[in-house]
This record gives sequence, C-alpha cells and structure tokens, in this order.
Amino acid sequence: KNEVEQSPQNLTAQEGEFITINCSYSVGISALHWLQQHPGGGIVSLFMLSSGKKKHRRLIATINIQEKHSSLHITASHPRDSAVYICAVTAGSTGTASKLTFGTGTRLQVTL
Amino acid sequence: NAGVTQTPKFQVLKTGQSMTLQCAQDMNHEYMSWYRQDPGMGLRLIHYSVGAGITDQGEVPNGYNVSRSTTEDFPLRLLSAAPSQTSVYFCASSYTWDGIYGYTFGSGTRLTVV
Repeated sequence: KNEVEQSPQNLTAQEGEFITINCSYSVGISALHWLQQHPGGGIVSLFMLSSGKKKHRRLIATINIQEKHSSLHITASHPRDSAVYICAVTAGSTGTASKLTFGTGTRLQVTL
Repeated sequence: NAGVTQTPKFQVLKTGQSMTLQCAQDMNHEYMSWYRQDPGMGLRLIHYSVGAGITDQGEVPNGYNVSRSTTEDFPLRLLSAAPSQTSVYFCASSYTWDGIYGYTFGSGTRLTVV
C-alpha cells in the first residue's frame, strides 16, 4: 500500500462543475503539498498545508491531520484547469529537511 | 528570478552513453533534489542535497551520481545509460517557511534511452 493515496485517478467534469480530489496518507507528516502538472509541462506548487484550510482564487485545499486526509476543491471549473493534480507529503517533524513522498496523481479533464 | 532551470528539455541517448542533466537555482535555497517520473508510479526521489558539499541517496539512486559544489547548481549524472532510465526528470529546490519546507520545481527533462 502506497504511503500516499489519491482518488479518483481520473476525473472528467463539465465546465462550471465543483470538483473534489482526495488524498489520504499513512505516515506522520510535517506538511502536505498539492501540485499541478499540465500535459507535457512542469510541476507547479499550488498549496502547502500543515493544518486547516487555504484558498487561492477558485482553489481550496483542506487538511484533517487526525484523519490523515486532505482534499483539493476547484470551484466553477474551467477547461484550463485540465491537468494532473498531485498530492505529496513531507514526512517527519517540522524543521527537518524531509523528502517528498508523492501520490500517483489525479488526471482532470474539464470539457465545455 | 529565474527560479529552477533545467537543461536540456529533451535528450535521446544510446545505451551505455553518459550524460549530465543540469539544474540551477537562483533563490539561494539550501535543499535541492532530483526526482524521476514514470507512468503510474508517481515521482520518486533519486538524490538530494541539504547544502553545498552534502549529498545523499533517495529511493532510486542506482545508476546516478550527483555533486553539489555550489549552492546554485545540482547536476545529475547518468554514468552508463540504460533503457530503464527512460523517464522524465525533475529538479526541485526547497525553502523553509515557519519550519516547513516548500518546493519549487524545474520544468523537467524528458530522457529517452534507446
């Protein structure tokens, strides 16, 4: 079993829909990261979370440390949101140069 | 600031050839790392460095060497390329914020070994 599990693996939505991507992890972490990768593109860091909730424009990320679970929400989805969304965690305590452990990603396709 | 710069973007190698993937950052980040991305497996850590002169192995280090002579540069060397090293490679540098490490990624190098 992977330390970081994402669901769903693939997701198709129509423009305007509300989207949720889930991430569960099995280790103690200092932070959880949500990353975005467009087809053939580089990786962009969207959020870094250690508790609670963060919001940026139409993206919202939440984390529940007790349940070892995080969600990424996209409100009013748009075709330009089509990308692979990757959840990653830095294990261990804060202040250590911990390494990232990645989920396998969720491929999102938003159609008109 | 350019962020994290990786070169080349694409490369085709023959089995047995050697090459160096370059990674440079201009943000004065101490922590740098190399990952490979393969279909269905997620990114995996190859090597990392916590500062100039200090490197260590990650999850999949075999067949790769690294060095860190300066804070800015962290090259990845393939000693004798094999088809199993066909992958997309990403370099990342890290900063700390309130004791937590955040990451900036390069744009990737797509390597094919034939």
